[in-house]
Amino acid sequence: SYVLTQPSSVSVAPGQTATITCGGDNIGSKRVHWYQQKPGQAPVLVVYDDSDRPSGIPERFSGSNSGNTATLTISRVEAGDEADFYCQVWDDIVDQSVFGGGTKLTVL
Amino acid sequence: QVQLQESGPGLVKPSETLSLTCTVSGGSVSSGSYYWSWIRQPPGKGLEWIGYIFYSGGTNYNPSLKSRVTISLDTSKNHLSLDLDSVTAADTALYYCARVPETWELIPGAYDIWGQGALVTVSS
Repeated sequence: SYVLTQPSSVSVAPGQTATITCGGDNIGSKRVHWYQQKPGQAPVLVVYDDSDRPSGIPERFSGSNSGNTATLTISRVEAGDEADFYCQVWDDIVDQSVFGGGTKLTVL
Repeated sequence: QVQLQESGPGLVKPSETLSLTCTVSGGSVSSGSYYWSWIRQPPGKGLEWIGYIFYSGGTNYNPSLKSRVTISLDTSKNHLSLDLDSVTAADTALYYCARVPETWELIPGAYDIWGQGALVTVSS
């Protein structure tokens, strides 16, 4: 089955840029979606189709996808951005949804 | 605005069946091209896809759970249901329902709407 690999944790100072990666075999050929989950809350979609943002999501959140790595970038990080982030794709070969293991973003 | 709300028993005994309902408000489960999904999250762990039911009734399940899972739609009550048989402590988790629009490529897109989740504990 298709596997997505994320770093377990990323730390960044306020105002700096956070980069969260999601690795997968030829992931660049798939559409990658990113979710933010704050403690005690349901996940929220922050980036879909590699780089698009849903309505209401700040422009500080951006995404890219190429080769074997997709990336979520959060610019000008704020304390309120602290959360777990998950990448997700649909493995269309076997028609299954796959999530990465999640990355805990800590704002120092 | 479409909203999802999970409901069901918070405690299930081992070997019994876990049954949850996801009620959809602000929209119809049978209109539009959507995949209605279940996802779970064990305490302190990541997200695991359980399966989906397409608005037209077709289903697909995670192979690791396929032998024990049934997802169904009740259009008269505008809700989807999850049944998970023969549960063990490993099935203890927060269970979410979520909506996935079908893309122009006729494949699932992103989970755009989530319920708040229902915590189910498997214990005697």
